[in-house]
Amino acid sequence: EPEVTQTPSHQVTQMGQEVILRCVPISNHLYFYWYRQILGQKVEFLVSFYNNEISEKSEIFDDQFSVERPDGSNFTLKIRSTKLEDSAMYFCASSETRGEANYGYTFGSGTRLTVV
Amino acid sequence: GQQLNQSPQSMFIQEGEDVSMNCTSSSIFNTWLWYKQEPGEGPVLLIALYKAGELTSNGRLTAQFGITRKDSFLNISASIPSDVGIYFCAGQPSTVTQGGSEKLVFGKGTKLTVNP
Repeated sequence: EPEVTQTPSHQVTQMGQEVILRCVPISNHLYFYWYRQILGQKVEFLVSFYNNEISEKSEIFDDQFSVERPDGSNFTLKIRSTKLEDSAMYFCASSETRGEANYGYTFGSGTRLTVV
Repeated sequence: GQQLNQSPQSMFIQEGEDVSMNCTSSSIFNTWLWYKQEPGEGPVLLIALYKAGELTSNGRLTAQFGITRKDSFLNISASIPSDVGIYFCAGQPSTVTQGGSEKLVFGKGTKLTVNP
């Protein structure tokens, strides 16, 4: 079964450092997403990306965050200057369709980011 | 706003028992999804609901999309030890301008423990 692949599975970084989280979405999917889950809490939407641009973003996705699809397969989330409160599991997801007929996302296994 | 209230927060049951959990909101959702998350993994889609009133089954799982489009329930019949995990409801909000948002709004999850 096709899957969304995320690397690394765990990243530890010092406060103030930049991190890049990487994702390889399912190959025929056109819509890409990042979510995060702070330990013990619910999954929260960060950003959606389609046709090489951000289509929707949440209040969490401030100027410290950026996304990119540098080539035909990777989708990255960059945090410019990490803060302690950025520690969370970050999930990438992709979907084939959007809008009211969205047939569900496929989530990756996540990257656990620990900021120290 | 677009918050999902999921209950119960946790359940401790005996193997063989039936389980029921639900999500409600004050907002209308176009799509309801139920996910299961196991430790260290991303959410895995269990059931997707696209029409108000829709009742869908997937093996021992049954879920319904409420008539008002503001609620959904998930039932698990004859629970087994591998049902252990955190179950999340998620919805795709209806928006006035776009007809539907791309993001998923998640509930806080129901942690299920099954005693053999």
